[in-house]
Amino acid sequence: GQNIDQPTEMTATEGAIVQINCTYQTSGFNGLFWYQQHAGEAPTFLSYNVLDGLEEKGRFSSFLSRSKGYSYLLLKELQMKDSASYLCAVKDSNYQLIWGAGTKLIIKP
Amino acid sequence: IAGITQAPTSQILAAGRRMTLRCTQDMRHNAMYWYRQDLGLGLRLIHYSNTAGTTGKGEVPDGYSVSRANTDDFPLTLASAVPSQTSVYFCASSELVGSTGELFFGEGSRLTVL
Repeated sequence: GQNIDQPTEMTATEGAIVQINCTYQTSGFNGLFWYQQHAGEAPTFLSYNVLDGLEEKGRFSSFLSRSKGYSYLLLKELQMKDSASYLCAVKDSNYQLIWGAGTKLIIKP
Repeated sequence: IAGITQAPTSQILAAGRRMTLRCTQDMRHNAMYWYRQDLGLGLRLIHYSNTAGTTGKGEVPDGYSVSRANTDDFPLTLASAVPSQTSVYFCASSELVGSTGELFFGEGSRLTVL
């Protein structure tokens, strides 16, 4: 079966750095997405990786290793507004998105 | 502001009743999707449409139906609601060609079936 694994919850301190991991087992691979979802709101797009390596976008970076079935989202200089759930999703060989259950990130002052 | 509009934002419904969740986009995206989101689970695809006039079944289609008469609208109907359909429903759209295929989501419809 297809599976996306990410930690259920993480806690970090304002101003610090946090890394959210995502491992996947899917039938084929056509890209990996990270979305941010604040409580009670819709998911919003953060990043897309289809080739191995690091994609940097401001305070957020996303890394992909296709051979390891692994990605991480790196958040730097954490702010209170970064408290949210972070969703990892993989597009499989049929171009269907497989979603992880999300990682709830709690930022403490 | 361009985007996706869902209605209603929240609804309490008696079991056995029929309910249609509305979704309209103004981005002229080819593809549209309906997901449900339940605590502890990832987003699960109910139905999708890659272009006007065509629809397909997702991971959890039973008890739901959709139609895509035009590019902009993609309503989701629960013919006879059951308590297990209590969930938050998200409509989304994407461009299939010439982009990463990122999804744009509506604000969600919170449905409670009693």
